[in-house]
Amino acid sequence: DAGITQSPRHKVTETGTPVTLRCHQTENHRYMYWYRQDPGHGLRLIHYSYGVKDTDKGEVSDGYSVSRSKTEDFLLTLESATSSQTSVYFCAISEPRGDYEQYFGPGTRLTVT
Amino acid sequence: RKEVEQDPGPFNVPEGATVAFNCTYSNSASQSFFWYRQDCRKEPKLLMSVYSSGNEDGRFTAQLNRASQYISLLIRDSKLSDSATYLCVVNGLGGGADGLTFGKGTHLIIQP
Repeated sequence: DAGITQSPRHKVTETGTPVTLRCHQTENHRYMYWYRQDPGHGLRLIHYSYGVKDTDKGEVSDGYSVSRSKTEDFLLTLESATSSQTSVYFCAISEPRGDYEQYFGPGTRLTVT
Repeated sequence: RKEVEQDPGPFNVPEGATVAFNCTYSNSASQSFFWYRQDCRKEPKLLMSVYSSGNEDGRFTAQLNRASQYISLLIRDSKLSDSATYLCVVNGLGGGADGLTFGKGTHLIIQP
C-alpha cells in the first residue's frame, strides 16, 4: 500500500468553525489531490497540487483552501464549515509519468452539525 | 463536461460465476483508463489500468474500445471477496493534474 495517511480520520464540528484536514505521504510523489465523496456524486476533485506551493482549483473548490509547504504534506482547510460540507474526504497522490494513476489515503469522515 | 457513466447495479451474482460490466466515457481525447475497487467505507484502490490491446490480471480482464468509447471489466470465477464497488476512471488531456474523471461506481454483490 502507498504510504499515505490522513488526519483526523473522523471529525464532528459545528457550522461556522474552521477545520483543517491533513494528508501526509512518504512516497515523495509530486502531485497531491483532495477529493470529496458523497452518495450519488462519486468522487469530485476539490483542489490539487503539482508541487510545493503550486496548487490549483478543482471542480468543487468553493469554501475550501489548500496549502502545500512541503512535498509530503497537503492541507485542506474549510474556512467556515457548512452542513453541505459533511462528506468523506480522500487525499490522493500520483507521479507525472506513465498513466498518472492515483493512490488514495484512507479518508476522513467529516460531519458538520 | 467530461462524463463517465456506469450502471450503478447492484449486480447480484452467485459465487463462481462470470460477471461483466461496462462504462462509457464522453471525452474522445481521453488517454488513460483505469478500474478501481472500493470496499464499503474504505478508499478506492487501483485494480488495473486498461489498455487498447486489452489486459488480464488473474481472473480480471479489462478491455477498451476507443471507437465506441467504452471500457469493460470481466471477472471470472467470482469470489465472495470480489463484492465491492467498481469505479471506472478516465484520464483526459494533459495527464493527471486535473484530468481524472470518476464514474459513480457499479456495486457488485457475490452471493454464496
